[in-house]
Amino acid sequence: RKEVEQDPGPFNVPEGATVAFNCTYSNSASQSFFWYRQDCRKEPKLLMSVYSSGNEDGRFTAQLNRASQYISLLIRDSKLSDSATYLCVVKKGNTPLVFGKGTRLSVIA
Amino acid sequence: NAGVTQTPKFRVLKTGQSMTLLCAQDMNHEYMYWYRQDPGMGLRLIHYSVGEGTTAKGEVPDGYNVSRLKKQNFLLGLESAAPSQTSVYFCASRPTVERNEQFFGPGTRLTVL
Repeated sequence: RKEVEQDPGPFNVPEGATVAFNCTYSNSASQSFFWYRQDCRKEPKLLMSVYSSGNEDGRFTAQLNRASQYISLLIRDSKLSDSATYLCVVKKGNTPLVFGKGTRLSVIA
Repeated sequence: NAGVTQTPKFRVLKTGQSMTLLCAQDMNHEYMYWYRQDPGMGLRLIHYSVGEGTTAKGEVPDGYNVSRLKKQNFLLGLESAAPSQTSVYFCASRPTVERNEQFFGPGTRLTVL
């Protein structure tokens, strides 16, 4: 089983739609969780950290379910500029970050 | 601050040739990483460093060597390039063990013929 698994997509949604991405991780000792965003032919950049109680940043909401080892990212009111690949990332202790393969989102006008 | 920079941006090699990719960061970060990214494979860690003078193997280290002689630089070497090493290579840095955000360079697109 892969350490971090994501649905590769692509998710094709119209502008204004709400879209949710899911991610599962296999190592129950994982302690830190993140979503990174990668635009086409660009480097990944941190979108947001994921906290146990869930957290929101504008149109983006991240949730963590430790019991199910599951992370989600919800994007409301999708914009064309949200089109990108979203990478689920987990970390345990002092070990390097582990990246999922990413979920591709295309927002269509 | 320039952040994380990578040299070169593009390179084409012939099988068996050698080359060095340079990563530089001006943020005084302790940790540095080299990844490769291939279609359908996601980011895979090649080697990393937790400080000047230290290196460690990642998930896919074979065929690569690294050095971290200066804190700000992390070099990735290919001694004898193979077509399987055709990829996009990303360098990243992270401040300390307490700070989890990694900052990536713009990438190097390498083609091995």
